[in-house]
Amino acid sequence: EPEVTQTPSHQVTQMGQEVILRCVPISNHLYFYWYRQILGQKVEFLVSFYNNEISEKSEIFDDQFSVERPDGSNFTLKIRSTKLEDSAMYFCASRGTGNSEAFFGQGTRLTVV
Amino acid sequence: QQQVKQSPQSLIVQKGGIPIINCAYENTAFDYFPWYQQFPGKGPALLIAIRPDVSEKKEGRFTISFNKSAKQFSLHIMDSQPGDSATYFCAASAKGGSEKLVFGKGTKLTVNP
Repeated sequence: EPEVTQTPSHQVTQMGQEVILRCVPISNHLYFYWYRQILGQKVEFLVSFYNNEISEKSEIFDDQFSVERPDGSNFTLKIRSTKLEDSAMYFCASRGTGNSEAFFGQGTRLTVV
Repeated sequence: QQQVKQSPQSLIVQKGGIPIINCAYENTAFDYFPWYQQFPGKGPALLIAIRPDVSEKKEGRFTISFNKSAKQFSLHIMDSQPGDSATYFCAASAKGGSEKLVFGKGTKLTVNP
């Protein structure tokens, strides 16, 4: 069964450092998303990406965040200067065309110290 | 108006019981209502979804009831098992599910043996 793959599974970084979270979406999917989940809280939308550009972003997705699909297979989320409050689980999701369901990866647990 | 309100926050039932989780929304543009199941350390996995043209959908032991006029939907788990112990999230999306998912806060379900 095809799946969304995320690496690393856990990343610890110092406050102020840059981090890149990586995702390999399902191969024939065209819509890509990042969501985050602060421990014990709900899953929150960050950004959606289609046709090599951001289609929608939330208030959380400020100038410190960026996304990229550098090589047609990977989909990355970069946080330029991490803050303590960026500590969360980050989920990548992808979706095919039409009204197909979104598949989520296993997540990357980001801990900012 | 973008919120999805979910209750209860936690639920404990005995094996064989029928836990019911409720969600309510305000945005009438929402037209796709999935339920996700999440085990600790894992990403959300789609369990079952409904569109507003039907009032009920059943898949195995899982049933969604949908009340369009009340803008409410609920998940029923028949003959619940200890393996169903997980956090359940309702969500909503517009444009048939092609837009971002807006999640409820989650319900932690415990099914005791």
